[in-house]
Amino acid sequence: DQQVKQNSPSLSVQEGRISILNCDYTNSMFDYFLWYKKYPAEGPTFLISISSIKDKNEDGRFTVFLNKSAKHLSLHIVPSQPGDSAVYFCAASARYGGSQGNLIFGKGTKLSVKP
Amino acid sequence: DAGITQSPRHKVTETGTPVTLRCHQTENHRYMYWYRQDPGHGLRLIHYSYGVKDTDKGEVSDGYSVSRSKTEDFLLTLESATSSQTSVYFCAISRSETKNIQYFGAGTRLSVL
Repeated sequence: DQQVKQNSPSLSVQEGRISILNCDYTNSMFDYFLWYKKYPAEGPTFLISISSIKDKNEDGRFTVFLNKSAKHLSLHIVPSQPGDSAVYFCAASARYGGSQGNLIFGKGTKLSVKP
Repeated sequence: DAGITQSPRHKVTETGTPVTLRCHQTENHRYMYWYRQDPGHGLRLIHYSYGVKDTDKGEVSDGYSVSRSKTEDFLLTLESATSSQTSVYFCAISRSETKNIQYFGAGTRLSVL
């Protein structure tokens, strides 16, 4: 059973508008969430993360929102640029006794930003 | 740049042959990981290591073994490659003991014919 779900395989957005990528999780023990961006023929690149003690984290054009009660997080990109076109992966981990847990990834959402 | 080098970058092999993929890091990090990426599956953890000679299985470890005899190198071995192991393989490291932000290599594309 998938613990991290990205239900939209693809998303198309016009340049300059907002891109919203969604992610749902089922394991209530997850306490750290991350977004990665992946271009073809390259490895995933860390984008932004959020701890479960927060509900928002911002870094430039990228903001991640966490709704713990709904077990839902989203990545907002404003404004979207053609260079943002990539596959975005959501990931989650659960730390036990202070040590890090392994990352569980969603299947990814392919974002296309059209000029 | 996370100082991770994967080799080879591309490999074509035949069913039944052994294959070893290498991950080399230059920053002396404790945690290293091997993932595979397949269409419709995202990234799935194969094995990971938390120190020299300390390794453990991930979600999809069947058919794979790993070794870590030096901090900087983490090897993934397919003892007898099968067509189902055709995939893109990524190595990752984690820089922090407390925050599991992983940094990935460029990947190895493996085709098993």
